[in-house]
Amino acid sequence: SQKIEQNSEALNIQEGKTATLTCNYTNYSPAYLQWYRQDPGRGPVFLLLIRENEKEKRKERLKVTFDTTLKQSLFHITASQPADSATYLCALGGDDKIIFGKGTRLHILP
Amino acid sequence: GAVVSQHPSRVICKSGTSVKIECRSLDFQATTMFWYRQFPKQSLMLMATSNEGSKATYEQGVEKDKFLINHASLTLSTLTVTSAHPEDSSFYICSARPPGQGWDSPLHFGNGTRLTVT
Repeated sequence: SQKIEQNSEALNIQEGKTATLTCNYTNYSPAYLQWYRQDPGRGPVFLLLIRENEKEKRKERLKVTFDTTLKQSLFHITASQPADSATYLCALGGDDKIIFGKGTRLHILP
Repeated sequence: GAVVSQHPSRVICKSGTSVKIECRSLDFQATTMFWYRQFPKQSLMLMATSNEGSKATYEQGVEKDKFLINHASLTLSTLTVTSAHPEDSSFYICSARPPGQGWDSPLHFGNGTRLTVT
């Protein structure tokens, strides 16, 4: 069955450093991958979309890569700030389905 | 734009009672809305796809008689948890995509409803 793994349940990063989150998947060939941010007690908020024929996307301090050979996406936040602390979800989509990972709780330490 | 509103944000009910959760698209019309459930430290699990004017499509393992979905207008879908039990306690979230966007366009989520069944 399709499986998504996000590297760790929680990640602590010092303010100002780059935070790198990993999303690995198996038994699936997604047409696209999305990253969402979720704050406690709130719904997810869309951040970035990357399609299967794209290697990298950037938006301000965010960068996402997509390696369909490794079946992996990396999500980077540069110059991290305490306000970036949240849970980040990766989601894989294709046809009419989209499936979500469990998320990684990111803590940016001041 | 593309705001999805969900109500209530929290609800506590007694075992055996029913609870209705509303999901509204405030600035766009949504022929399709999606209902998810999220347990602590778990991923969002799709429960059902709500279709305006027709029956909802339920995911495998989701009881359609227990989780009643009504999508009576282009801006409102409701999820009713019938005969709720403590194991139904969870975070329920709805989402929708504005019309005319690509099939890989982002989902817009409501802020969720925390259901606690005592």
